[in-house]
Amino acid sequence: QQQVKQSPQSLIVQKGGISIINCAYENTAFDYFPWYQQFPGKGPALLIAIRPDVSEKKEGRFTISFNKSAKQFSLHIMDSQPGDSATYFCAASFSGSARQLTFGSGTQLTVLP
Amino acid sequence: GAGVSQSPRYKVTKRGQDVTLRCDPISSHATLYWYQQALGQGPEFLTYFNYEAQPDKSGLPSDRFSAERPEGSISTLTIQRTEQRDSAMYRCASSQLVVSEQYFGPGTRLTVT
Repeated sequence: QQQVKQSPQSLIVQKGGISIINCAYENTAFDYFPWYQQFPGKGPALLIAIRPDVSEKKEGRFTISFNKSAKQFSLHIMDSQPGDSATYFCAASFSGSARQLTFGSGTQLTVLP
Repeated sequence: GAGVSQSPRYKVTKRGQDVTLRCDPISSHATLYWYQQALGQGPEFLTYFNYEAQPDKSGLPSDRFSAERPEGSISTLTIQRTEQRDSAMYRCASSQLVVSEQYFGPGTRLTVT
């Protein structure tokens, strides 16, 4: 059962454009929603995360928008740069004895120069 | 150490053989996770340790999979009688506490022929 659905699978954006990646979740018990960035040959690295008590979180060019009623959240990358080209994973977890992350299937972002 | 390290980075084995993968977490990190990542998918939780205790094994696909962390630092993941469906990237992550950010290692690419 895929509990976190991510789209699109791949995304091509021109330099300076806005990249938008969407995720939808099923388990309403989830209360922590991180985004990870992964470069080839490297492990995923935490980019930004949000909790459901806020609708938006911004860190530099990266913004998470969260819609609790729709059970959806998205990553917006403003002024996309070629160095942002990577695979992005959304994830979700819930409070408990450990933060066992449930990941989406990933989005391969290519930013053209 | 400076980051999470995993060895070997690549492992090719024949079906039916046993393999052991190693994870060296960031020093002082209490919690260690193992994930399995199929090609084109996000990581899937296998198991985790809090120091040497292993509170959750629910993600292990079968009893052929086992993990240890005897001294609360280095961990090993062993797959007995490997099958072709075990071919995947195996990722380790560590965090300072169970609710802290997870830092991922580069992974071990396992290929079962």
